[in-house]
Order: sequence, then structure tokens, then C-alpha cells
Amino acid sequence: EAQVTQNPRYLITVTGKKLTVTCSQNMNHEYMSWYRQDPGLGLRQIYYSMNVEVTDKGDVPEGYKVSRKEKRNFPLILESPSPNQTSLYFCASSLTPPYSYNEQFFGPGTRLTVL
Amino acid sequence: LAKTTQPISMDSYEGQEVNITCSHNNIATNDYITWYQQFPSQGPRFIIQGYKTKVTNEVASLFIPADRKSSTLSLPRVSLSDTAVYYCLAKAAGNKLTFGGGTRVLVKP
Repeated sequence: EAQVTQNPRYLITVTGKKLTVTCSQNMNHEYMSWYRQDPGLGLRQIYYSMNVEVTDKGDVPEGYKVSRKEKRNFPLILESPSPNQTSLYFCASSLTPPYSYNEQFFGPGTRLTVL
Repeated sequence: LAKTTQPISMDSYEGQEVNITCSHNNIATNDYITWYQQFPSQGPRFIIQGYKTKVTNEVASLFIPADRKSSTLSLPRVSLSDTAVYYCLAKAAGNKLTFGGGTRVLVKP
């Protein structure tokens, strides 16, 4: 089944404790992206990757890191999480950038709480 | 820099047509406009995508005027299961993506 998977689905952590949220897709997509969703603010892009070893900042990259060492995986790293990073996070992928003619597939989301 | 704006919410009744308009100024000539549907506790799901004029699929239609400064998602004959949040998506500066704030559609019986 074609899908985007994220792990963990739920995470409660404390300020400053490094964490990684994994994202994997099995569709051989080149474009991958991370978003955060907050009440009243909608979906905002954190980082995106056009292909392996090619990553760039979205609208809200502060406090996050990403890597794209292989096509299928695009982990999101919070080196020193803070309470303002408490949010719902979505990973997404598409064959090419979604502003070209292509559907973007979203993962199920990771709900992160930073205490 | 493309900025997308859409109404916060709208109510409808079963069987009616729902039209949601998204404004996206400064959209580039070659970029597509995409609409997504999101249910609570789920990721957004692709509905429809278009470049100009009108696009129709099995669930919706998308109307894009010649100036491409807006687009209108049309949901024909909505049912209770169409209650969701609908987002438009356009390309911002560089290769970034910007979502509209989302329109919460409530379909009443």
C-alpha cells in the first residue's frame, strides 16, 4: 500500500531533550516536506527536500533540523525542544513539487507535547 | 510572495452546493493551485488541482479565472461526511509552499 508513515504518533517530552520524528514513504517520491499545524495558524511548512541531499527552509524552520540521506526517509530533528514547539506535525511527499502537477500525500501526523 | 487567504468557516445543508474561494495574489505563471480536505486527527487529503479555467473530478470542481488571483472550490450536493476543513495551497517564494488558513465547512442535516 502506498503510504507515508510517521513515528512516533504521540510524544510527550521535556524541554531540551533531543528528539527525532521519523518519516518514510514507499512511493519513490522525490519531494518531501514537514509541516506543523497549530490552532488558528493552519499548516505551515518547516522544511522541504527536493531530492536526496537537497533540503531547504520553509516558513518556520527555527529550532528544527532535517536530513535526506536516502530518498524514502526524511527525519525531523529537534535538538533542544521548547514548549512553543508543542504542535501537530505532518510529513508529506509527492513525486515532484506539489505546485507542479502532482498530488501530495500526507502522513497520519505526530502530536508532540513539550513540557 | 504568494499569500493565500480563504474564509474561516461556512455552513451548508445536505444536498446543497458549497463554494469556497481562495485568494492567492502573485502566484507564478506556471504554478498549480491545489485543494485539500482534512478531517479531525487525520492528515490533509488531496481533492483537486488546477492551473486555469475549470477542472472537474469525481468529488469537486475547481474554477480559476484568467488572472489566476483566486480559485473557487465547488463541492456539489454536499453530505454530512463532507464536514471538514478545506485548504488551498499555492507556491510561495522560491520553492516554499503556503497553505491558506483553512475553511471549516459544517454540513447540517
